[in-house]
Amino acid sequence: SSDLTQDRAVSVALGQTVRITCQGHSLKTYYASWYQQKPGQAPVLVIYGKNNRPSGISDRFSGSSSGDTGSLIITGAQAEDEAEYFCSSRDKTADHRVFGGGTKLTVL
Amino acid sequence: QVQLQESGPGLVKPSGTLSLTCAVSGGSVNNSFWWTWVRQPPGEGLEWIGEIYHTGANDYTPSLKTRVTMSVDKAKNQFSLKLDFVTAADTAIYYCAKTTRAGDAFDVWGPGTMVTVSS
Repeated sequence: SSDLTQDRAVSVALGQTVRITCQGHSLKTYYASWYQQKPGQAPVLVIYGKNNRPSGISDRFSGSSSGDTGSLIITGAQAEDEAEYFCSSRDKTADHRVFGGGTKLTVL
Repeated sequence: QVQLQESGPGLVKPSGTLSLTCAVSGGSVNNSFWWTWVRQPPGEGLEWIGEIYHTGANDYTPSLKTRVTMSVDKAKNQFSLKLDFVTAADTAIYYCAKTTRAGDAFDVWGPGTMVTVSS
């Protein structure tokens, strides 16, 4: 099992807001970065740092952090947001990078 | 804008060595990024394999550390992954990626290359 824990699956109604979480000891010190992966494609960075979006990423995506949990928030989810989302940060010793197990988001 | 492209054999025999290269374009491997390898077994999640800096400094995931070697080729502007003594469990899509300058995220990824371990 990973040092970063994510729910395996989450669903959201079209146009509603959804929070995808990532829990781990290292998140008390480090921010999570978040990646969107659609079938057959490479992951794409959507959020990193305190709440930074790379160029070209929709402002529907935002990030937050509290204690040992980081969150990816999608406000007004669209059909094209249906994908798997992975968080990444440090392992529990903070010595190495690690990914969470991934959350499959379904937009209803 | 940096772009990355993986290349290497798609089929490796058990107990053999998996060797992949990631060509860097639109930038230099001498830039201050960590050059990274990530893999994804079919139907599974992402696994960070390790990373290397242009100075040769590196970090590998503990579970693979005894079998992994990464290197940077400044003349060819590329970096490489070698994984020894492969088994079927090493069958995966292998991605190369780079970190941001602050090293806090993987902001550019290659398209990935599928490697199958089979006799």
